Amino acid sequence: AQSVTQLGSHVSVSEGALVLLRCNYSSSVPPYLFWYVQYPNQGLQLLLKYTSAATLVKGINGFEAEFKKSETSFHLTKPSAHMSDAAEYFCAVSEGYGNKLVFGAGTILRVKS
Amino acid sequence: ETGVTQSPTHLIKTRGQQVTLRCSSQSGHNTVSWYQQALGQGPQFIFQYYREEENGRGNFPPRFSGLQFPNYSSELNVNALELDDSALYLCASSSETSPSNEQFFGPGTRLTVL
Repeated sequence: AQSVTQLGSHVSVSEGALVLLRCNYSSSVPPYLFWYVQYPNQGLQLLLKYTSAATLVKGINGFEAEFKKSETSFHLTKPSAHMSDAAEYFCAVSEGYGNKLVFGAGTILRVKS
Repeated sequence: ETGVTQSPTHLIKTRGQQVTLRCSSQSGHNTVSWYQQALGQGPQFIFQYYREEENGRGNFPPRFSGLQFPNYSSELNVNALELDDSALYLCASSSETSPSNEQFFGPGTRLTVL
């Protein structure tokens, strides 16, 4: 069975600092991996996705993530945090088209001015 | 291109009642998935519909049921509501022409069961 673990339910960074949100996954087949962002009282917006092409994936709003098979990780990073990045972030795994998304519990990112 | 829409945005019900939530998929998408997001948790897969047939189900009881219509819009029905059914219900649509299984989410319906 697939699973996702997001280390740290809350992460706090200063504006301009590096953002690092951690995600480890478990999958019996080569996974598709996703990061979604959720702002208060809104649905989920896709930030980026890994689909077995390049291991370093660039997404919207300056975010990127690196797929590391040996570490079963897909950590999300952004070089410089902005106040507008404050939101909840979800990592998700899927076995492919037609299959459900399995989400982690989420990480709330707080950006301090 | 119209995105995924859901109605209503908020709903309050009492225990034992029944509720129907609606979702209109993004133009060109023939697959709809439903997720339940309890407060402080990640979304949990309820079920998926592909071309009007159920195509996978999560660990939810039979009182959670659904439909997909010929225009690929979908309904989620929940019977005999329980307090623990209070959650944000998210609908997501996707297309078989998207090999990455990218799912586009609607804004959700917030259900409160009293």
